[in-house]
Amino acid sequence: RKEVEQDPGPFNVPEGATVAFNCTYSNSASQSFFWYRQDCRKEPKLLMSVYSSGNEDGRFTAQLNRASQYISLLIRDSKLSDSATYLCVVNVYSSASKIIFGSGTRLSIRP
Amino acid sequence: DVKVTQSSRYLVKRTGEKVFLECVQDMDHENMFWYRQDPGLGLRLIYFSYDVKMKEKGDIPEGYSVSREKKERFSLILESASTNQTSMYLCASKSVQGNNEQFFGPGTRLTVL
Repeated sequence: RKEVEQDPGPFNVPEGATVAFNCTYSNSASQSFFWYRQDCRKEPKLLMSVYSSGNEDGRFTAQLNRASQYISLLIRDSKLSDSATYLCVVNVYSSASKIIFGSGTRLSIRP
Repeated sequence: DVKVTQSSRYLVKRTGEKVFLECVQDMDHENMFWYRQDPGLGLRLIYFSYDVKMKEKGDIPEGYSVSREKKERFSLILESASTNQTSMYLCASKSVQGNNEQFFGPGTRLTVL
């Protein structure tokens, strides 16, 4: 079982729709969480950190559920420019810090 | 503006060749990382470095080595390239302070024939 799991998609949704994806993690020592965005043939870039109380950045909302060990990303009023792969990232702190990337969820917004 | 650069965007090498991939960051970050990214497998950590002269094996270090002689530069070496090392290689850096954000270079697409 992968330490961080994501539905690979693709999610194909119309412009203006709301879309959500989840990411599950297996290590209960996970301490911090992020969503990165990766455009086609580009490098990953930080989209947002995920805080325990949930956080919002414009049309994007991130949630953390420690009990069920998953994080989610909600995109409202989706734009064509939101088409990308979204990577879930987990920092695990046990004897040493370890950063683990999910394989990514591909999102395609259609006009 | 933060910047991580990699020496090549595209590289084609032959089996058995020694390959050097260079990564430079201008943010004075302590930590640097080398990943490879393959379809369906996501980013896998090859090696990382906490600071100058320090290196730690990641999840898939076999067939690779690294060098960190200066803080800004982290080199990945393929001692004898093989076809299964054809991949996208991504370098990243981060500060030990702040929110643990990693900054990535543009990647090197390596093809081993």
